[in-house]
Amino acid sequence: EVQLLESGGGLEQPGGSLRLSCAATGFTFSSYGMSWVRQAPGKGLEWVSGISTRGDNTYYADSVKGRFTISRDNSKNTLSLQMNSLRVEDTAVYYCAKDYRGPDYWGQGTLVTVS
Amino acid sequence: DVVMTQSPLSLPVTLGQPASISCKSSQSLVNSDGNTYLNWFQQRPGQSPRRLIYKVSNRDSGVPDRFSGSGSGTDFTLKISRVEAEDVGVYYCMQGTHWPGTFGQGTKVEIK
Repeated sequence: EVQLLESGGGLEQPGGSLRLSCAATGFTFSSYGMSWVRQAPGKGLEWVSGISTRGDNTYYADSVKGRFTISRDNSKNTLSLQMNSLRVEDTAVYYCAKDYRGPDYWGQGTLVTVS
Repeated sequence: DVVMTQSPLSLPVTLGQPASISCKSSQSLVNSDGNTYLNWFQQRPGQSPRRLIYKVSNRDSGVPDRFSGSGSGTDFTLKISRVEAEDVGVYYCMQGTHWPGTFGQGTKVEIK
């Protein structure tokens, strides 16, 4: 069974940093692209960042480009999102997702509050 | 970025009756490999999203057959043949053909 477990969310001040992690089990992690998708309170879904199987290709939404960095450790089956220069508008639940042309499995999400 | 436009944004339905959600993209979702990467997701209240349909019309494992997807090019539809109480939630279309992937605004399905 595919399981994705996010951690690292919390309350941070504007301009601060947070690092999110996602522990993946139940599938061959190194064979799949991965993504982060966020959902602001009461709002819709926004794709934030994606990474290829080996981590050599990364992609970012314009809203986070230059501030967020996605990475993965295939030896530990872990996906990460380093978030710097946080803004109030980054407040959201952040979901880790197994991804091929769109998320097929999602984690339970971790809440990031910037205030 | 490709804009995904859903309608309606709110859909009150009677139990046992059909429901239909439209999703239109600002450009064709046919990929160079011949596939059309159009997904549908369901998000029940308080839960993470769950994929229902991939590549326009393929149901994910465990998805009831009352859910069906159709369409081509830029126009797509999700249909629920007979709405049940557990279908309440928000439904999103999402395209994975063009980078970055983009979601529709969401359609809230509720019981009348």
